[in-house]
Amino acid sequence: DAKTTQPTSMDCAEGRAANLPCNHSTISGNEYVYWYRQIHSQGPQYIIHGLKNNETNEMASLIITEDRKSSTLILPHATLRDTAVYYCIVRRGAQKLVFGQGTRLTINP
Amino acid sequence: ETGVTQTPRHLVMGMTNKKSLKCEQHLGHNAMYWYKQSAKKPLELMFVYNFKEQTENNSVPSRFSPECPNSSHLFLHLHTLQPEDSALYLCASSQEGAGEHQPQHFGDGTRLSIL
Repeated sequence: DAKTTQPTSMDCAEGRAANLPCNHSTISGNEYVYWYRQIHSQGPQYIIHGLKNNETNEMASLIITEDRKSSTLILPHATLRDTAVYYCIVRRGAQKLVFGQGTRLTINP
Repeated sequence: ETGVTQTPRHLVMGMTNKKSLKCEQHLGHNAMYWYKQSAKKPLELMFVYNFKEQTENNSVPSRFSPECPNSSHLFLHLHTLQPEDSALYLCASSQEGAGEHQPQHFGDGTRLSIL
C-alpha cells in the first residue's frame, strides 16, 4: 500500500471548515483513499473513502486531486467534538489498514 | 460506535497471569481483526480472521493466542506477557468479498497494563 504524509497537527476555529491535507504521491490506480479519526480513549472511527471522484457523506467531504497524488478531508462546520487524530490511509484491496501518525486536529472555541 | 463491543475496557495483569480479551460485533460482518496501539506508535495489525479462519498473523509472539469461534465473536488469549505488551488492543470487523470496498469498524478497545 502507498505511503501517506500528513501534517502533525492543525488548529481550526469552531464553526469554520477544517481542511485536512494528505499527500499520497505513490498511489497506484486501484488504491483507495480512506479517512479515519480517533477521539481520545476511543477506537478509530471510519469517516469516508474514495477512489478518484470526490465523495460526500453526513460527516465530511473528500476531495481527491485529478492526478490522485493528494487529497483533502473537509469537515464543513467543525465542532469541539471533532477534536481528534485524523488518519489518511491508502488501501488497495488487502484487509490490512496501515495507520501512520495522523494529524492531531484541535478545534478551538 | 456500538456495533463492535470489547470487554473488558481496562485490564491490569501480572506477567504470569492468563487472561482473555473479548470482542463481539453486531454488524453481521464476516471478517474480524485484532490491532495493537502502543503509546506514541501507530496502530499495528495483529491478526485477521475471515469466516472464522485465521488468514493473517502479523508476526505476533505466541504469548498472544487468538480464537474465533464464530463470525460474531473474537477472543485474544494472553499468557506470560511482558511489560512492553502494555497497550490499547482494538478489535475491528468488516464485510469482505462483496466486490466493493467496505470499511473496517472498530471497537473502543481494551487498555491493558502489565505489571
